[in-house]
Amino acid sequence: DTGVSQDPRHKITKRGQNVTFRCDPISEHNRLYWYRQTLGQGPEFLTYFQNEAQLEKSRLLSDRFSAERPKGSFSTLEIQRTEQGDSAMYLCASSTPGLAGLNEQFFGPGTRLTVL
Amino acid sequence: EDKVVQSPLSLVVHEGDTVTLNCSYEVTNFRSLLWYKQEKKAPTFLFMLTSSGIEKKSGRLSSILDKKELFSILNITATQTGDSAVYLCAVHTQYSNYQLIWGAGTKLIIKP
Repeated sequence: DTGVSQDPRHKITKRGQNVTFRCDPISEHNRLYWYRQTLGQGPEFLTYFQNEAQLEKSRLLSDRFSAERPKGSFSTLEIQRTEQGDSAMYLCASSTPGLAGLNEQFFGPGTRLTVL
Repeated sequence: EDKVVQSPLSLVVHEGDTVTLNCSYEVTNFRSLLWYKQEKKAPTFLFMLTSSGIEKKSGRLSSILDKKELFSILNITATQTGDSAVYLCAVHTQYSNYQLIWGAGTKLIIKP
């Protein structure tokens, strides 16, 4: 399978715990995006990497959230001290280095987080 | 503030019907509009539209963009139960070339 992969697919945690999600983009894609999606809503942008550089972070991304892409390949998203409001689907997408705004993003299956 | 609005929010039709889904946008420096289909998993790409009046077509699905009136429509003809999904519209702007501004989606249910 050469698509975007995410791990784990589901995560249930207790409030206050830390969680980490992983995303492996399509291999030739240098752009990687994290989104959060809640029921009945479209995805909300969280952060964006071009290669290993994190070029943009949404104001939605509080200081409890951190993302890395150390070698410009896979990325991790960590949430510290989880809150019930963090419960959502976390989606990762990647895209080619084409002209900005003119290339589609390919999504992984998502990680569904439930904070109890 | 940039925004993307989809209508209707939900739609129930019978198999074989034709449906039209709407996406309107208010953004600065529009660059492209994308349609995605989302079943119980991640969104899958359908179309990217950049120019007005040029229809994109894939099987029973087609889409067109009107940059003057700031909207796009997605048509599905001869609907099948497998078309049941949430259809998402998203917009790239020149100043957000690395992220998409998303609508809330239209939930389409096709009854047999």
